[in-house]
Amino acid sequence: QKEVEQNSGPLSVPEGAIASLNCTYSDRGSQSFFWYRQYSGKSPELIMFIYSNGDKEDGRFTAQLNKASQYVSLLIRDSQPSDSATYLCAVPDGGFKTIFGAGTRLFVKA
Amino acid sequence: DGGITQSPKYLFRKEGQNVTLSCEQNLNHDAMYWYRQDPGQGLRLIYYSQIVNDFQKGDIAEGYSVSREKKESFPLTVTSAQKNPTAFYLCASSRGRNTEAFFGQGTRLTVV
Repeated sequence: QKEVEQNSGPLSVPEGAIASLNCTYSDRGSQSFFWYRQYSGKSPELIMFIYSNGDKEDGRFTAQLNKASQYVSLLIRDSQPSDSATYLCAVPDGGFKTIFGAGTRLFVKA
Repeated sequence: DGGITQSPKYLFRKEGQNVTLSCEQNLNHDAMYWYRQDPGQGLRLIYYSQIVNDFQKGDIAEGYSVSREKKESFPLTVTSAQKNPTAFYLCASSRGRNTEAFFGQGTRLTVV
């Protein structure tokens, strides 16, 4: 059974700080990795994807991938109260299915 | 604008009734999915379809049924056999293997 693990949180950071969200996955053959943001009562929306080892930056967001350690993370710089949400790590199984982590709840305190 | 439309947004069902949740996409995606989300929980896959006239069970298919007669549409029926149907239901689509999923706005089903 392929698994994606996330700390459920909540993770609380002050406004302007860096929020670091972590995810581990069990399938060593995984090729692509996605981060979704889900506001309370809303549907998930894609915010980052990464395929290669290393870092990928998009605005205030940076995704980091380490395939040897089976670890992917999401950094949010200059965190804002509007970043308060649940962040879902998702890893396709190589076919048409995607394995979602349970999500980490982030609170950014003003 | 391209996207996925789910309807209705809120749905109330009496015990013992079947209900059908609608999902339509105009993204020209081949693959479509139904997920269930319970409060504070992650997404659990109910059914998915790779192509028209084909679908497969996900992890929690019991008590649910689907059809895929058109590329754009993937309705989900919650039958009376589903013992705990109250949940947030999400429809999604993707281009194919290893690609990101795009979600509809969800349907919140409550059994009364």
